[in-house]
Amino acid sequence: QKEVEQDPGPLSVPEGAIVSLNCTYSNSAFQYFMWYRQYSRKGPELLMYTYSSGNKEDGRFTAQVDKSSKYISLFIRDSQPSDSATYLCAMSPGAQKLVFGQGTRLTINP
Amino acid sequence: GAGVSQSPRYKVAKRGQDVALRCDPISGHVSLFWYQQALGQGPEFLTYFQNEAQLDKSGLPSDRFFAERPEGSVSTLKIQRTQQEDSAVYLCASSLGAGGHQPQHFGDGTRLSIL
Repeated sequence: QKEVEQDPGPLSVPEGAIVSLNCTYSNSAFQYFMWYRQYSRKGPELLMYTYSSGNKEDGRFTAQVDKSSKYISLFIRDSQPSDSATYLCAMSPGAQKLVFGQGTRLTINP
Repeated sequence: GAGVSQSPRYKVAKRGQDVALRCDPISGHVSLFWYQQALGQGPEFLTYFQNEAQLDKSGLPSDRFFAERPEGSVSTLKIQRTQQEDSAVYLCASSLGAGGHQPQHFGDGTRLSIL
């Protein structure tokens, strides 16, 4: 079993919908939680960076961390076709290396 | 440019050849990381440098993989006697600090294909 589980999708939604992406993890030592967006043939681009439990909002994006359930989420409001990409969750115990989920492939249909 | 730069973007090699992949981190970034991303998967950690010191190489899959960062800036990932299972995208990331935890910023990777 992998330390970080993420549904690979694919997920397809109409433009303007609210998108919910999730990851679960097994290592209770994880303290730092990130969401990256990766377009085809590009490197991962950092979207959200949070420490410990709680919510963080940045524009149309909201990240939630529930350490008691070992569950993190990313919400995208008013989704746009330009949001179509693979979304990767990543986490770290505070040591430097990141552990990634498999990535969820998202398509926003105009 | 201000971002992490990797070269070459694409590399094709025959099985058994040696390859070298280069990473130029963001200027002033102390920490540098290499990850391997197989098709349809998330990146997997290979190794980590703080300045010129290689502090963690636990993710290197075999002794055919070697990384260096001799002057604490540019890094090279070398793969000797390549095999087909080495085909993947190799990503480099850098972060600003050495202490605590800092966000990592990624380059666009080198796509390696072993024939």
